[in-house]
Amino acid sequence: EPEVTQTPSHQVTQMGQEVILRCVPISNHLYFYWYRQILGQKVEFLVSFYNNEISEKSEIFDDQFSVERPDGSNFTLKIRSTKLEDSAMYFCASSEQASGLGGYTFGSGTRLTVV
Amino acid sequence: TQLLEQSPQFLSIQEGENLTVYCNSSSVFSSLQWYRQEPGEGPVLLVTVVTGGEVKKLKRLTFQFGDARKDSSLHITAAQPGDTGLYLCAGSNSGGYQKVTFGIGTKLQVIP
Repeated sequence: EPEVTQTPSHQVTQMGQEVILRCVPISNHLYFYWYRQILGQKVEFLVSFYNNEISEKSEIFDDQFSVERPDGSNFTLKIRSTKLEDSAMYFCASSEQASGLGGYTFGSGTRLTVV
Repeated sequence: TQLLEQSPQFLSIQEGENLTVYCNSSSVFSSLQWYRQEPGEGPVLLVTVVTGGEVKKLKRLTFQFGDARKDSSLHITAAQPGDTGLYLCAGSNSGGYQKVTFGIGTKLQVIP
């Protein structure tokens, strides 16, 4: 069964450092998303991406965050200068349809720890 | 801001019992999804419901979307230890690119 692949599975970084989280969405999906989940809290929407541009973003997704699809398969989330409160599980997701009627396929996540 | 409230947040039952968990909102959603999440993993889609009043079955799991498309329920018949996990409901709307709004989840433990 097709899956969304995320790397690395764990990332420890020092406060103020830049991190790049990587994702390979399902190949025939056109819509890509990043979500995060702080320990014990809800899964929160960060950003959606379609046709090589951001289509929607949340208030969490400030200037420290950026996304990119550098080639035909990878989808990355960059945090420019990490803060302690950025520690969370970051999930990439993709979908075939814009309306989400087919549901979203999530990756297994990257656990980011900022120290 | 659209919110999804899930209840109960924790549920511990014996194997073989039936249970129902609920997902409620004051907002209308064009579709609602149920996911199951294991510790340290991403949510895995179980079902999407789209039409008000819709009922979908997935083996021992029955999902219902409320007539007004503001609420949903998940019923599990004869729960088994393998059903243990976090059940999340998530709503999305048509228009735009449909960010999904998640509830906090119901953590289910089925005791053998």
